[in-house]
Amino acid sequence: SQKIEQNSEALNIQEGKTATLTCNYTNYSPAYLQWYRQDPGRGPVFLLLIRENEKEKRKERLKVTFDTTLKQSLFHITASQPADSATYLCALGNQAGTALIFGKGTTLSVSS
Amino acid sequence: EAGVAQSPRYKIIEKRQSVAFWCNPISGHATLYWYQQILGQGPKLLIQFQNNGVVDDSQLPKDRFSAERLKGVDSTLKIQPAKLEDSAVYLCASSVLRGGNTGELFFGEGSRLTVL
Repeated sequence: SQKIEQNSEALNIQEGKTATLTCNYTNYSPAYLQWYRQDPGRGPVFLLLIRENEKEKRKERLKVTFDTTLKQSLFHITASQPADSATYLCALGNQAGTALIFGKGTTLSVSS
Repeated sequence: EAGVAQSPRYKIIEKRQSVAFWCNPISGHATLYWYQQILGQGPKLLIQFQNNGVVDDSQLPKDRFSAERLKGVDSTLKIQPAKLEDSAVYLCASSVLRGGNTGELFFGEGSRLTVL
């Protein structure tokens, strides 16, 4: 069955450092991958989308890579700030237009 | 632009009772989703609508859950009778692209259900 794994449930880093979150998947061939941010008690908010034929996408301090050979995406937040503390979800989609499949999420805590 | 509206935000019921959640998507969004998010887990799709037709309800427990999207706009998700394991946040999302292909999802704030 399809499986999405996000590297760890929690990641603690210091302000100013780069946070790297990992999303691995098996038994799936996604056409694209999305990353969402979720704050406690709130719905997820879209951050970035990367397609299968793209290696890297950037948006301000965010960078996403997508390696379909390794079946892995890396999500980087550079110069992290306490305001970046949240749960980050990766989600996969395919060409059939079916709904996204979400991972469990990684909770990032950035301390000042 | 108004976001996805959901109500109620919180609901506490006893097992075997019924509950209904309402969602109003962003205007013009053809695709609407209901996801269930259990504490500590990622969202899990329950049902996907395109306009007022069902695209995917393969993970909807149809013996107790039902959903409809009348006139291709608002949607209601109902649980009857509720079980303890239904305690979760029910997230509604909408997408502008037909079939949801690559389109980002816009989520509501969710409806938190506690079943006692």
